[in-house]
Amino acid sequence: EVQLVESGGGLVQPGGSLRLSCAASGFTFSGYWMSWVRQAPGKGLEWVANTKFDGSEKYYVDSVKGRFTISRDNAKNSLYLQMNSLRGEDTAVYYCATRRGDFWGQGTMVTVSS
Amino acid sequence: DVVVTQSPLALPVTLGQPASISCRSSQSLVSSDGNTYLNWFHQRPGQSPRRLIYQVSNRDSGVPDRFSGSGSDTDFTLRISRVEAEDVGVYHCMQGSHWPWTFGQGTKVEIK
Repeated sequence: EVQLVESGGGLVQPGGSLRLSCAASGFTFSGYWMSWVRQAPGKGLEWVANTKFDGSEKYYVDSVKGRFTISRDNAKNSLYLQMNSLRGEDTAVYYCATRRGDFWGQGTMVTVSS
Repeated sequence: DVVVTQSPLALPVTLGQPASISCRSSQSLVSSDGNTYLNWFHQRPGQSPRRLIYQVSNRDSGVPDRFSGSGSDTDFTLRISRVEAEDVGVYHCMQGSHWPWTFGQGTKVEIK
């Protein structure tokens, strides 16, 4: 059974940092491009970042470019999102997903507030 | 960025009746590799999205055949042939042909 389990969310002050993790199991993690997608409370979905199988290519939506970094450790079947210089508009549920959207995690909530 | 526009944003439906949702993009969704990456997702309250349809018209494993997707270029449709109670929730279309990938606003389906 495919599982993606996110962790690391929480409450952080504006300007602060947070690192999200996603533990994958039940599929060949190293064979998939992976992504982070977010959803602000009561709002639609926003695709945040993609990373290639080996991490050699990374893509970001403009709103997070220079502040967020997507990375992966294929030996640990894990995906990460380092979030720096956080803003109120980054408040959202963050989902780990495969690039084509076939598998999703349950999400982890990030709240940026003073 | 490609703008994806869904309509309607709210869709009251009668059990057993058909329903359809439109999704239009601001530019062609034919990718550089020749494929059209237009997906449909269903999301229930408090749950993650679940992909129903990929590349316009391909149903994911376990998705009932009452769901179908069609369209091309910039104009796409999700159809439910006979709505069941479990179909309520928000439907999202999403283009994965041009970075950054973008979603429509979502269509909330509820039973009348």
